[in-house]
Amino acid sequence: GEQVEQRPPHLSVREGDSAVIICTYTDPNSYYFFWYKQEPGAGLQLLMKVFSSTEINEGQGFTVLLNKKDKQLSLNLTAAHPGDSAVYFCAATSSGQKLVFGQGTILKVYL
Amino acid sequence: EAAVTQSPRNKVTVTGGNVTLSCRQTNSHNYMYWYRQDTGHGLRLIHYSYGAGNLQIGDVPDGYKATRTTQEDFFLLLELASPSQTSLYFCASSVWGTPGQLYFGEGSKLTVL
Repeated sequence: GEQVEQRPPHLSVREGDSAVIICTYTDPNSYYFFWYKQEPGAGLQLLMKVFSSTEINEGQGFTVLLNKKDKQLSLNLTAAHPGDSAVYFCAATSSGQKLVFGQGTILKVYL
Repeated sequence: EAAVTQSPRNKVTVTGGNVTLSCRQTNSHNYMYWYRQDTGHGLRLIHYSYGAGNLQIGDVPDGYKATRTTQEDFFLLLELASPSQTSLYFCASSVWGTPGQLYFGEGSKLTVL
């Protein structure tokens, strides 16, 4: 079955700096990809979705890149701020219902 | 905004104890899920359901039972709890046709002594 490897497990950046989280998946049939954000004491919230036909997707202050050739998905925060401090998870699925999550990245943004 | 409510939020039991975690969603979503979250593993799917009376096996089902009694309610049952089941459990729901777009509850922290 699908396996998703997420790196790094911990990431600490200064406010205004960029931050990159990378996920590598194994199932070439996966075609739905997601980034979730988990704030302290809360459940996960959907941050961004990327489908197989989309290679770049931009949100508020971040960019998601999907490289199907290398089976990699990345989340790039262009100018981190303290409100971005959270745990980030990538996820992939080929069925649409059974998501496989990465291990998570704890991001801390300091002043 | 989808609302998913879990109870209890914190539970402590002893090895061999009986635990039921409850989840209710109020947006008529078809799918409901139970995940466990552990450091170094991310979230792993235990069981899920696409409607009342239906149950699908997830990726880590051993030691867990689940039951979907209504469209709104999904229960996770640990009949002989073990310390390895100490974890943070999340319930989530989604609508058919919106793959991967899950709405999560706030989690239930279970400690098995």
